Amino acid sequence: QSALTQPASVSASPGQSITISCTGTSSDVGYYNLVSWYQHHPGKAPKLMIYEVTKRPSGVSNRFSGSKSGNTASLTISGLQAEDEADYYCCSNVDSSTLVFGGGTKLTVL
Amino acid sequence: EVQLVESGGDLVQPGWSLRLSCATSGFTFDDYAMHWVRQAPGKGLEWVSGITWNSGSIAYADSVKGRFTISRDNAKNSLYLQMNSLRPEDTALYYCAKDLVGAGIDAFDLWGQGTVVTVSS
Repeated sequence: QSALTQPASVSASPGQSITISCTGTSSDVGYYNLVSWYQHHPGKAPKLMIYEVTKRPSGVSNRFSGSKSGNTASLTISGLQAEDEADYYCCSNVDSSTLVFGGGTKLTVL
Repeated sequence: EVQLVESGGDLVQPGWSLRLSCATSGFTFDDYAMHWVRQAPGKGLEWVSGITWNSGSIAYADSVKGRFTISRDNAKNSLYLQMNSLRPEDTALYYCAKDLVGAGIDAFDLWGQGTVVTVSS
């Protein structure tokens, strides 16, 4: 159960767009369409932003979108806002009953 | 109000045991799979264990397999994690999380605030 690979940090200015990658293998990200993304502000509970690669839960801004190509999933945030500054984690099924998270990416809004 | 409330975290010595609980409300507990996720100090999120709605399928991360046991009581709308043979590397904030589905695993759409477990001599 090796962690999925994410960049440690990304940064951009308000109004810009960023993409966070999440690289796994043909056994997890590449095999299952069950990649999810979580936003985590320190001291608060994580929040589901994207599930099943591209779906957005009710209440999540349409500035957040997900995609996948091969063994790499991506989270794109458009029109960056100050409140988007947080840690972001991807997660994928490894098999029918186990999961693995990515190492996390710290997003800084300059 | 829909919520998950964890409890049971404590400071314990290596080798000791601890039982975490997660009390839920505001949704039909026995319709959904449930999970435990932890975050060690300064580290990222780590999935620990999951259990389907009827306890028919249970799974663990390799790091806790054989030491931790997940269970649920649908009559009490509660989730549990029995942690034995605790190690310093088990020190973390432990979150209870609700799955989107009942019979498999998908994503976590509801999280508690967590309970802190510290393993140190």
